[in-house]
Amino acid sequence: QPALTQPPSVSGSPGQSITISCTGTSNDVGGYDFVSWFQQHPGKAPKLLIYDVTDRPSGVSDRFSGSKSGNTASLTISGLQADDEAVYHCCSYTNYPTVIFGGGTRVTVL
Amino acid sequence: QVQLQESGPGLVRPSETLSLTCTVSGGSITTSRHYWGWIRQPPGKGLEWLGNVYASGSTYLNPSLRSRVTISVDRSKNHFSLKLDSVTAADTAIYYCATMGSLARRPTPDSWGLGTLVTVTS
Repeated sequence: QPALTQPPSVSGSPGQSITISCTGTSNDVGGYDFVSWFQQHPGKAPKLLIYDVTDRPSGVSDRFSGSKSGNTASLTISGLQADDEAVYHCCSYTNYPTVIFGGGTRVTVL
Repeated sequence: QVQLQESGPGLVRPSETLSLTCTVSGGSITTSRHYWGWIRQPPGKGLEWLGNVYASGSTYLNPSLRSRVTISVDRSKNHFSLKLDSVTAADTAIYYCATMGSLARRPTPDSWGLGTLVTVTS
């Protein structure tokens, strides 16, 4: 059972915006501003999209944005494109220190 | 840009030890100021963090696997390694190495290797 809860799937039409949620507890998502998001295409390694809740690495499109409220973090993809079809994983730093992941969300572009 | 490459046997027998190495290029483990980590993904499933190692050799391990996992670093070879003891079919997964905290303020994954599939089978 993944430690962070993500919806199994989210879909949207090209050009639309979608939001993926990632729910944890006050011991992880709610307690630290250290949430990351990754995009994984089939057969490929995950790629970092967002770190520290809202920051984007160089080269990542600004169509990807992150936010957090309480124990839930969110990834928003605006201007949905065909290439955005992938699995998206969230990740949070916790105490100890450890790292925990969500179960992943499959995004389908209709 | 640091690049990571996992290597090791693709097949391991049940009850034996899984051993993988992650070779780092384009950067030095010795002078790094971040952690290096291992993460795995069973086929069709989510990601699981296994542990991190610093250049000094200090480690943080997933508490659920701590009794079976060893992560070490060899600065002279610019690589770090994973050993997982007493494997079962449940340990079949793609194993990734990653930089941890080279961008983020805490050791969460940044850059990933391509991954290597390890299958536990007799």
